[in-house]
Amino acid sequence: GAVVSQHPSWVICKSGTSVKIECRSLDFQATTMFWYRQFPKQSLMLMATSNEGSKATYEQGVEKDKFLINHASLTLSTLTVTSAHPEDSSFYICSAWHSPGYEQYFGPGTRLTVT
Amino acid sequence: GENVEQHPSTLSVQEGDSAVIKCTYSDSASNYFPWYKQELGKGPQLIIDIRSNVGEKKDQRIAVTLNKTAKHFSLHITETQPEDSAVYFCAASINTNAGKSTFGDGTTLTVKP
Repeated sequence: GAVVSQHPSWVICKSGTSVKIECRSLDFQATTMFWYRQFPKQSLMLMATSNEGSKATYEQGVEKDKFLINHASLTLSTLTVTSAHPEDSSFYICSAWHSPGYEQYFGPGTRLTVT
Repeated sequence: GENVEQHPSTLSVQEGDSAVIKCTYSDSASNYFPWYKQELGKGPQLIIDIRSNVGEKKDQRIAVTLNKTAKHFSLHITETQPEDSAVYFCAASINTNAGKSTFGDGTTLTVKP
């Protein structure tokens, strides 16, 4: 299957700082990538859809000014959590849409802890 | 919008037994139904998927069935092994929507040796 990577795998930051998470499709080009948030023992909550070269589409209730998404190339999307607070602590997972196979592949996730 | 319900939320089986997880969906336009396995601290891994033009698909010990009329699909794992223990998610989406999927709440499968 296709491979999606995320960096970093875990990060600890202080309240008020910003954190950037990278999502890369390693062996295919992805015009569409997705960002999810997952709380312990819960399902995946879609935050936004990221399209290469255009603005991201955010789900209802997700603050676009707080969660900045940039899809600058066909293999890279970034999520920046701005002015992070402890309630932003979570497991963030990206996925990339593999259009030839009509399949979605997920990254390994990033554990964010805000102190 | 689409709503996906998944049952059971937890499932415990003995090694070698079969496990079945069921999902129902609400949007009749959905035509792509993947299943993901998520191990602790990792991202979901696509294990099998089915599209609306087929009723069943099998890959070694894993099979998925789809009943479009009833709007439900199921994951079947035979000859379970301890390494099958994980959280399994079903999802439903419309292919033309570039893969934007609605996920079930997950099933925690425990395979006892």
